[in-house]
Amino acid sequence: AQTVTQSQPEMSVQEAETVTLSCTYDTSESNYYLFWYKQPPSRQMILVIRQEAYKQQNATENRFSVNFQKAAKSFSLKISDSQLGDTAMYFCAFMKGQYNAGNMLTFGGGTRLMVKP
Amino acid sequence: EPEVTQTPSHQVTQMGQEVILRCVPISNHLYFYWYRQILGQKVEFLVSFYNNEISEKSEIFDDQFSVERPDGSNFTLKIRSTKLEDSAMYFCASCGLVNNEQFFGPGTRLTVL
Repeated sequence: AQTVTQSQPEMSVQEAETVTLSCTYDTSESNYYLFWYKQPPSRQMILVIRQEAYKQQNATENRFSVNFQKAAKSFSLKISDSQLGDTAMYFCAFMKGQYNAGNMLTFGGGTRLMVKP
Repeated sequence: EPEVTQTPSHQVTQMGQEVILRCVPISNHLYFYWYRQILGQKVEFLVSFYNNEISEKSEIFDDQFSVERPDGSNFTLKIRSTKLEDSAMYFCASCGLVNNEQFFGPGTRLTVL
């Protein structure tokens, strides 16, 4: 079984600054995907960024980037130039398998991020 | 942009009653999921559904739970006899064949009294 741990229940950052959210996971799988989902208040979860475990290069999506350390089983999310709209709950998630769309997600407990003006 | 929708947004029921939570996945998606989040706890997987049958289910998904895709568009979760501990936010998600992205609905908050 997989486990995902987010050790920071809450974080805050000033607008325009950079913040890093931590995530660690435990698995015996060799093929898997890692995700960061964002859940704004009273809205649905949306995918922020995805990392394939077989890729060494860290994924980036505009202001969002990850630091994927496979040996350490660590998958942190960096948000650069934080904006007020980044205020949300952020979930780290794990999916086993290689390009299999049917597999379940295993979520961490979430980090509540507040961006302050 | 297509999105997953869920109804109702909030359901209040008495313990022992049956509830049906409804989801309309994105139209060309083929994989469907239910997750739940008890207040203050992690989002937990309940069940996945593909080709009109359950692909995978968790220990939470016992005989009190069932899923159905009755008309090719709706995807429902039924809880036959609700317990107090079923109170949670229930999220539906769907996924296409192109990549592994699961698209989530806004959730149904179930309160069992």
